[in-house]
Amino acid sequence: AQSVSQHNHHVILSEAASLELGCNYSYGGTVNLFWYVQYPGQHLQLLLKYFSGDPLVKGIKGFEAEFIKSKFSFNLRKPSVQWSDTAEYFCAVNAEQAGTALIFGKGTTLSVSS
Amino acid sequence: KAGVTQTPRYLIKTRGQQVTLSCSPISGHRSVSWYQQTPGQGLQFLFEYFSETQRNKGNFPGRFSGRQFSNSRSEMNVSTLELGDSALYLCASSLHRRTDTYEQYFGPGTRLTVT
Repeated sequence: AQSVSQHNHHVILSEAASLELGCNYSYGGTVNLFWYVQYPGQHLQLLLKYFSGDPLVKGIKGFEAEFIKSKFSFNLRKPSVQWSDTAEYFCAVNAEQAGTALIFGKGTTLSVSS
Repeated sequence: KAGVTQTPRYLIKTRGQQVTLSCSPISGHRSVSWYQQTPGQGLQFLFEYFSETQRNKGNFPGRFSGRQFSNSRSEMNVSTLELGDSALYLCASSLHRRTDTYEQYFGPGTRLTVT
């Protein structure tokens, strides 16, 4: 069965620190990859997505992610976090035969102190 | 354009009862998916509807069912509620089923508490 692992459950950073959140998935076929963010009290919203092409994708609010096929990884990065980045981050995978169904990781809570 | 709306936002039910949750997708979106979010299991896919047909189903018991209407609005039903069904139920809509550019837009969820 497909699964998604997010390595860090809770990350605490100071403003201006760099961020990298790990995500690995288990599925041997073609996948689409996503990072979603859930700010306190708000809906899940899409940060960025990878379908094909350049494995380095850029999303909203200065976030980027790199797809490394050989490592089944799709890590999220941001060079300098802000207090407003405090949120829960979810990595998700969609397999080729699964329609629009997303398999989510358990999420990483990011706390940024000012 | 209005986002995905879900009603009701909060619901309290008793074990053994049944419940129906409603989702209105973004105008023009034809695919609706449902997810269950709990602290222990995280976000889990329930089912996907497209053009009034269930296209995909997650690993949930038959007590969980859904349907989609001709206007793409969707409902999900949970019968014989159990305490473990307490969760946030999220609906997501997308324009297409799966193309190179599809993305899902999530609603605010319905918080179901079973007592």
